[in-house]
Amino acid sequence: AQSVTQPDIHITVSEGASLELRCNYSYGATPYLFWYVQSPGQGLQLLLKYFSGDTLVQGIKGFEAEFKRSQSSFNLRKPSVHWSDAAEYFCAAGGDTDKLIFGTGTRLQVFP
Amino acid sequence: GAVVSQHPSWVICKSGTSVKIECRSLDFQATTMFWYRQFPKQSLMLMATSNEGSKATYEQGVEKDKFLINHASLTLSTLTVTSAHPEDSSFYICSARERAARLFNSPLHFGNGTRLTVT
Repeated sequence: AQSVTQPDIHITVSEGASLELRCNYSYGATPYLFWYVQSPGQGLQLLLKYFSGDTLVQGIKGFEAEFKRSQSSFNLRKPSVHWSDAAEYFCAAGGDTDKLIFGTGTRLQVFP
Repeated sequence: GAVVSQHPSWVICKSGTSVKIECRSLDFQATTMFWYRQFPKQSLMLMATSNEGSKATYEQGVEKDKFLINHASLTLSTLTVTSAHPEDSSFYICSARERAARLFNSPLHFGNGTRLTVT
């Protein structure tokens, strides 16, 4: 079955520290992969996406993600976290249908 | 960029009444819109796919008669929660894909969600 797993439910980092949010997928073929961010009580905003080609993709707000086929992973990274990055982050996969499969999300808390 | 407007942002209603939530694509046409439900601290659960000019496609376990979806134009889809009960209280989010986007790799644009509380 197709699925997206985000192993970390909650992550806490200090402002200025580096960040890595994990995402693993199970899919029949190489899926299209997305990272979305959700602030409290808000909808989702697209951070970045991977379709093909360069496995390291750059997104908005200084985020990047690396697709690793061998590990079925698409981890999100940021070299220096800002307090405004505190939010819920969702990894999602899609491909052969019109639907997206979302992970359960990772809540990021940033301490000053 | 593409904007999806969802209204209302929050609503409180009494048990037994119906509530309508609107989802509009403001600067693009959307042949397909999606309705999600999100429980506190959980992921998004796809409820149904709304197709302009045709019946919505519901996910398994979602009651069609309870969650009525209408997609009457290329810019508007509505979700009506009929005879609402406290267990229907949740955060409902819509999303849309641009009509011009022919591939499934085009990103979805999300509304800001509607917080429904049924008392």
